[in-house]
Amino acid sequence: LAKTTQPISMDSYEGQEVNITCSHNNIATNDYITWYQQFPSQGPRFIIQGYKTKVTNEVASLFIPADRKSSTLSLPRVSLSDTAVYYCLVGDIRTGTASKLTFGTGTRLQVTL
Amino acid sequence: EAGVTQSPTHLIKTRGQQATLRCSPISGHTSVYWYQQALGLGLQFLLWYDEGEERNRGNFPPRFSGRQFPNYSSELNVNALELEDSALYLCASSVGTGNSPLHFGNGTRLTVT
Repeated sequence: LAKTTQPISMDSYEGQEVNITCSHNNIATNDYITWYQQFPSQGPRFIIQGYKTKVTNEVASLFIPADRKSSTLSLPRVSLSDTAVYYCLVGDIRTGTASKLTFGTGTRLQVTL
Repeated sequence: EAGVTQSPTHLIKTRGQQATLRCSPISGHTSVYWYQQALGLGLQFLLWYDEGEERNRGNFPPRFSGRQFPNYSSELNVNALELEDSALYLCASSVGTGNSPLHFGNGTRLTVT
């Protein structure tokens, strides 16, 4: 049973804003939502993390509605270098079960000119 | 700050042999996580070590084992290698809090022939 659900792939043009949504209907009270970016043959890289409402850093924003059953990663003005696979991970790592430590299949974002 | 380092970068073994993969976490990080990523697939959680103890284990057979040393570095051992063990093995580390994000190395590419 999948813990998180994301679109398999998305396409965008350079300069556009991209929003990737992750569904996590079974999120627990203590769970945080973390997004990672992965390029081919590299380890995932931490992008942003949040618990509720909105979080923004220098590279992305994370929107979490009040019910926390989904989250949306927003990448402003994407460039070709943002072409990668994006994963959302939901869970309190230190208290969760092994399933909470497993990444889903992620969303493959392709950015073109 | 040095990131998570893994060695070797590539490893080629034949079926039935044993493989040993090594990981050095970021300085100050006490938790180490191991993941398997088969070609084109998501990350499957293997093992989590914290303060020298195995804290959690994914759905993998016992021939996947590991340990964490007093300096928090870690080793993943895979015995009786099978062809389907061919994958990118990723190590991540984090500080000892529940919502601390994972910081990944670039992995060891294991090829079993």
